Amino acid sequence: TQLLEQSPQFLSIQEGENLTVYCNSSSVFSSLQWYRQEPGEGPVLLVTVVTGGEVKKLKRLTFQFGDARKDSSLHITAAQPGDTGLYLCAGETDKLIFGTGTRLQVFP
Amino acid sequence: ETGVTQSPTHLIKTRGQQVTLRCSSQSGHNTVSWYQQALGQGPQFIFQYYREEENGRGNFPPRFSGLQFPNYSSELNVNALELDDSALYLCASSLGGRGPKIWFYEQYFGPGTRLTVT
Repeated sequence: TQLLEQSPQFLSIQEGENLTVYCNSSSVFSSLQWYRQEPGEGPVLLVTVVTGGEVKKLKRLTFQFGDARKDSSLHITAAQPGDTGLYLCAGETDKLIFGTGTRLQVFP
Repeated sequence: ETGVTQSPTHLIKTRGQQVTLRCSSQSGHNTVSWYQQALGQGPQFIFQYYREEENGRGNFPPRFSGLQFPNYSSELNVNALELDDSALYLCASSLGGRGPKIWFYEQYFGPGTRLTVT
């Protein structure tokens, strides 16, 4: 069974703090996607990383794909209340496997 | 440009019944994927349709079936409902292409249908 484990499961921080979310697996992925999902809505794609070691930046969000393409991280700098939501990673093999999610709450 | 829409928003069914969920894909998209998201979990891939044909399937039993129509909208049908089928059902559309792999790039998700089975 292919599993994608995310950590931490829950994160509650103050506005302005930095944080990192991790996504780990024993499987090798051809690509890895990060999504954010808000209550009552479907996931929204943030980024897709394809190459081992790849780093992508989206404003205050930095995404990294592990060299072996088995893991990834999402780093948020100076978190804002608008960053609150459920962050999901999803790795592609012959299917798309979603992680269990990290629920982030940023307090003003 | 119209986004992905799903209907109904919420649904309550009894164990053993059948249900049909509907999805209208984003304008210009020809591929629809369906996912099941149980409470507190990430979505699980059910199947994908490309130009009216099933293009790949996850680990779901045959009582989960689907259709895609010429306008690329789609239906998810679930027969013989079980309590564990209670979940948020998401559809996602994309502009894909048939090939050796299922297409998972640039997916746009709808808001989902919350199904409760009692």
